[in-house]
Amino acid sequence: NAGVMQNPRHLVRRRGQEARLRCSPMKGHSHVYWYRQLPEEGLKFMVYLQKENIIDESGMPKERFSAEFPKEGPSILRIQQVVRGDSAAYFCASSPSTGGETQYFGPGTRLLVL
Amino acid sequence: AQKITQTQPGMFVQEKEAVTLDCTYDTSDPSYGLFWYKQPSSGEMIFLIYQGSYDQQNATEGRYSLNFQKARKSANLVISASQLGDSAMYFCAMREGGSGYSTLTFGKGTMLLVSP
Repeated sequence: NAGVMQNPRHLVRRRGQEARLRCSPMKGHSHVYWYRQLPEEGLKFMVYLQKENIIDESGMPKERFSAEFPKEGPSILRIQQVVRGDSAAYFCASSPSTGGETQYFGPGTRLLVL
Repeated sequence: AQKITQTQPGMFVQEKEAVTLDCTYDTSDPSYGLFWYKQPSSGEMIFLIYQGSYDQQNATEGRYSLNFQKARKSANLVISASQLGDSAMYFCAMREGGSGYSTLTFGKGTMLLVSP
């Protein structure tokens, strides 16, 4: 009964490169949320997706960040042309339905931009 | 205004003692949920306990209980009989709304250190 899977666990990129973070939700879960945790901060919501649909991206930076959750395969958070300020832990959570359901988190991806 | 406030940056407790971690929240939505998550030094986020705004009784899960005081808008986490493995960051979070999707808003966290 696998939980939420995220890979890679650690990612190092140089400024200007692209970062791709992957998230496979728990079995039976069709709702995926991405959060970002800056050092010594709580998690902040970025984007909420269902299969093939972005439902809410109000927490996503307007530029360089995008997310998708295709019909087949994991959800992807993509950061283009990374900058040092993108260094953070990125967490994915999943839930089986909307409203009232507990979100279960993956182990996170620690992104370090050199 | 902060939606979730955790006023204790750090707490110390001796093993086997009980500890209360504070959380106050701010919402005008009559339907909401409150969550506590634990983040050990390894970094993962572990769900601990959930309280719905309409729940009549305080939630309990093993050694964790949630002291829900709706009028005061507080949802403190109580850990009984602390163990060394309880040393971690603890985050309070809120989901607003009872239907449709709803994301979580997190507090800044409280670092708990349990000493032998």
